[in-house]
Amino acid sequence: NAGVMQNPRHLVRRRGQEARLRCSPMKGHSHVYWYRQLPEEGLKFMVYLQKENIIDESGMPKERFSAEFPKEGPSILRIQQVVRGDSAAYFCASSPPRAGGTKNIQYFGAGTRLSVL
Amino acid sequence: AQKVTQAQTEISVVEKEDVTLDCVYETRDTTYYLFWYKQPPSGELVFLIRRNSFDEQNEISGRYSWNFQKSTSSFNFTITASQVVDSAVYFCALSDDIGSYNNNDMRFGAGTRLTVKP
Repeated sequence: NAGVMQNPRHLVRRRGQEARLRCSPMKGHSHVYWYRQLPEEGLKFMVYLQKENIIDESGMPKERFSAEFPKEGPSILRIQQVVRGDSAAYFCASSPPRAGGTKNIQYFGAGTRLSVL
Repeated sequence: AQKVTQAQTEISVVEKEDVTLDCVYETRDTTYYLFWYKQPPSGELVFLIRRNSFDEQNEISGRYSWNFQKSTSSFNFTITASQVVDSAVYFCALSDDIGSYNNNDMRFGAGTRLTVKP
């Protein structure tokens, strides 16, 4: 049973380019979360998605960042016109459908480390 | 507002020593969940434990144990007889269960980097 798969593990972009980060949730999981981890800091929530729906994007920067979780295929976090400040580790987590209103455990991928030159 | 504080930025111990990682949280909610995750040098995040606010019973799993005290809003993590493989960054996190079903409000502490020397 494969865990949460993120690719690429490392991504290098020049300023102004686009970065696309992919996340395939664990089998049976329909909820995906994206977090950003700046160097020497904890994780900061960005966005929470279910299939074809953005549920909570309160942590997402208003510009240049977008996320999707299509009916088929992985979830994509897209950063347009990257700047040096976007350099960070981006983690994806997934959880199964929530039952009874209780929070399920989020299982994390290994992360994508984005470096902007 | 929710907040998680891990006051210890870095801890260094020698193998076989016991070590406790502190976690203090703030929340106005009566129902909430607390988590610990481990981030080894390879970078992935490994789930260790989830505890809900109504269960103050301490938990032990092998060399790991957790002490949840609502009176002091703490959820401390102790590793007994530490090993080199325990070297990692450990994150404490808080999530409430109230309000919108659709909210994701998991808050992470800044993490504690544990180094276990042989």
